[in-house]
Amino acid sequence: QKEVEQNSGPLSVPEGAIASLNCTYSDRVSQSFFWYRQYSGKSPELIMSIYSNGDKEDGRFTAQLNKASQYVSLLIRDSQPSDSATYLCAASDDYKLSFGAGTTVTVRA
Amino acid sequence: ETGVTQTPRHLVMGMTNKKSLKCEQHLGHNAMYWYKQSAKKPLELMFVYSLEERVENNSVPSRFSPECPNSSHLFLHLHTLQPEDSALYLCASSQRQGTNTGELFFGEGSRLTVL
Repeated sequence: QKEVEQNSGPLSVPEGAIASLNCTYSDRVSQSFFWYRQYSGKSPELIMSIYSNGDKEDGRFTAQLNKASQYVSLLIRDSQPSDSATYLCAASDDYKLSFGAGTTVTVRA
Repeated sequence: ETGVTQTPRHLVMGMTNKKSLKCEQHLGHNAMYWYKQSAKKPLELMFVYSLEERVENNSVPSRFSPECPNSSHLFLHLHTLQPEDSALYLCASSQRQGTNTGELFFGEGSRLTVL
């Protein structure tokens, strides 16, 4: 059974639109949640972390967490071609970090 | 140098070869990790070292042997690998293992091809 699930995509959005990425996790013990961005041929880079229910905004990125529904999302506002990448969702119980397989986003110019 | 550096970036080896992957972190972190990334699959944790002590060995075959001589260096020794071991091997570090475990800094990876 997968611990962290993401829609693999690809998710194609026009430039300037909002990209919405979803992630669900199965382990109720998970307390911390992370979004990593991975450009093709590069390594993952942490872009957002969220620890409590609600929204967390950082520039054009907003992470949303709902622990009751075991659901995490990432919104990318005003999407740019440079946002084209694979986004990895991860959940941690403060000991073990589990990753999803990633959602590939393509922003069309 | 800054961040996490891995060498070599690309490696091709036969099934009978012995090779090693090297990772070095310049962030002053106390925990280091080896991950395996295969196409369309989640990152797989292989090994975790915290303060130079191995704290995780995620049912990895013995043909993979890690070594952590100090908190800045991590090696992955490879021998008698199988073609299915071909993947991107990522080294990562974090300030300390356990707390904020998800805040990892990754190296650029070593792309391994086993013939």
